[in-house]
Amino acid sequence: QVQLQESGPGLVKPSETLSLTCTVSGDSISGYYWIWVRQPAGKGLEWIGRMYSSGTPNYNPSLKSRVTMSVDTSKNQFSLNLTSVTAADTAVYYCARRRSLAWYFDLWGRGTLVTVSS
Amino acid sequence: QSALTQPPSASGSPGQSVTISCTGTSSDVGGYNYVSWYQQHPGKGPKVMIYEVSKRPSGVPDRFSGSKSGNTASLTVSGLQVEDEADYFCSSYAGSNSWVFGGGTKVTVL
Repeated sequence: QVQLQESGPGLVKPSETLSLTCTVSGDSISGYYWIWVRQPAGKGLEWIGRMYSSGTPNYNPSLKSRVTMSVDTSKNQFSLNLTSVTAADTAVYYCARRRSLAWYFDLWGRGTLVTVSS
Repeated sequence: QSALTQPPSASGSPGQSVTISCTGTSSDVGGYNYVSWYQQHPGKGPKVMIYEVSKRPSGVPDRFSGSKSGNTASLTVSGLQVEDEADYFCSSYAGSNSWVFGGGTKVTVL
């Protein structure tokens, strides 16, 4: 059974960098698109960005200046870095998978809450 | 990129139908037939229920159906069951390798 598991610090200080990892188990990370999505409490989901297992990532223009995504095929993980965080970045962060030629996300993690606070 | 608009809540009695709308623009919902719907129970990851507007993945009951008219997509759950009580959100491709999501709708089975 293929599973995605988000991990990382649950608390990040303002102005610091939020770093999350999504570990893929049960299948190879290669050959798929991987995305990060977040959901602030009481609000809708926001697409952060996506990247293929290799290649150039695409980021939400509103976050582009602060976001970096990467894939580590040796560890079957992909990661998210969000710099200069503020309280507005407090949210549940999800990773998800999209198959090539499919226009939806067929597998999701359970999400991890990240709180930005001093 | 603006979020897709969904009603915050919807409800129905067991056996009834409930329809959730998802309104976007001609740059997302109206421009592509790549609308998908996801179900999320508390503490669980989202599960795709509908993709490409009206297609059901294997294993999803045919009580779930999707449609689109113009810039608005809809998810209908017919024959509501207790286990259908969950949050539902829509998503659409928005061009340039980007996606936009809805705010989510909490469905309550009365």
